[in-house]
Amino acid sequence: DTAVSQTPKYLVTQMGNDKSIKCEQNLGHDTMYWYKQDSKKFLKIMFSYNNKELIINETVPNRFSPKSPDKAHLNLHINSLELGDSAVYFCASSQRGINEKLFFGSGTQLSVL
Amino acid sequence: ELKVEQNPLFLSMQEGKNYTIYCNYSTTSDRLYWYRQDPGKSLESLFVLLSNGAVKQEGRLMASLDTKARLSTLHITAAVHDLSATYFCAVEETSGSRLTFGEGTQLTVNP
Repeated sequence: DTAVSQTPKYLVTQMGNDKSIKCEQNLGHDTMYWYKQDSKKFLKIMFSYNNKELIINETVPNRFSPKSPDKAHLNLHINSLELGDSAVYFCASSQRGINEKLFFGSGTQLSVL
Repeated sequence: ELKVEQNPLFLSMQEGKNYTIYCNYSTTSDRLYWYRQDPGKSLESLFVLLSNGAVKQEGRLMASLDTKARLSTLHITAAVHDLSATYFCAVEETSGSRLTFGEGTQLTVNP
């Protein structure tokens, strides 16, 4: 029943490792996003895909690579993790052309040691 | 670059009191959103304001938008403890563009 689901909920890893976060939405939306929330709760968009096409690509290190196999899925792969990558990552979706309210996933708390 | 500023950033209030959170933004927009985030949880949409003068109310919360002043307010009436959360406003510069979030207002309602 969950509208936007992301896994895992918690991710603890060592510096230098590579990890992925998965996101799926069952709302039929055509646009999906990745947001990063830092320790001060500041939310910043990282990427947005519309129908599997990348439409927003903010200035993030190229160690971050999103992949959208279909419009219901948007995964985030992070290479060579650094301490500064520790944050909560939220996936979200919306339907363009309506009010574009975002529906957020539950978040993935990433801790890089 | 669009800037979105909220104030106050921290608000501690007593149950039963009224208060207003302000959201100012720096460029023309007629699309503004309010979200709520409980500690350790995700964000939940509260209001979508799509035109100048828009006013939406849900329970003890009322949101309004003045696009000429580039200002939105979230008014809390007779606060209760359950309203304790962080409230974010987010502005969409043009239709279909990215949302820029404010820093969030952490509200604590004390019994």
